[in-house]
Amino acid sequence: SQTIHQWPATLVQPVGSPLSLECTVEGTSNPNLYWYRQAAGRGLQLLFYSVGIGQISSEVPQNLSASRPQDRQFILSSKKLLLSDSGFYLCARSSGSGNEQFFGPGTRLTVL
Amino acid sequence: QQQVKQSPQSLIVQKGGIPIINCAYENTAFDYFPWYQQFPGKGPALLIAIRPDVSEKKEGRFTISFNKSAKQFSLHIMDSQPGDSATYFCAASRGGGADGLTFGKGTHLIIQP
Repeated sequence: SQTIHQWPATLVQPVGSPLSLECTVEGTSNPNLYWYRQAAGRGLQLLFYSVGIGQISSEVPQNLSASRPQDRQFILSSKKLLLSDSGFYLCARSSGSGNEQFFGPGTRLTVL
Repeated sequence: QQQVKQSPQSLIVQKGGIPIINCAYENTAFDYFPWYQQFPGKGPALLIAIRPDVSEKKEGRFTISFNKSAKQFSLHIMDSQPGDSATYFCAASRGGGADGLTFGKGTHLIIQP
């Protein structure tokens, strides 16, 4: 089966601290990977996507960055968190046919 | 610019009723339209999806109706149950979807027993 893991599940960080969220995918090779953010009571906003190792496309200018050091690993980072970075961060992968996207369990980030 | 508009924001339906959630899109390059179901604290789960070459698709109790000329699509849930209470999102993508999905803002659905 194809599974998406996200770590950690929840995180509380002070403003100005660094961030590293990890997403790993099992059971598939060369997936397209995505990071979305969901603010409270709102829809999902695409942050980054990657079609391969080292290939990152950014959708929204912000203080976040993403990296893909391995085929099945996608990392979301920040050097200094802002209050507005609070939200539910979701990693997703696409199927072999491209369009279908499947989401991981998410990471709840609270910046205080 | 919101490219996918979803309504209503919230919806309450009695058990057995048929909730209908509507979405409208602006970008005519979109060619894939999925619906997701999300329970509190969980990631969204893909429910059903449609492409513009068909006007309707059914999977179990879930039906998508698609109107290409109006650039609108909707989700119908037949014989709704309290377990269907969740937030539903419509979305759209184009050209194989490699550059991600554009989501509506979601509909909070409550099915009353």
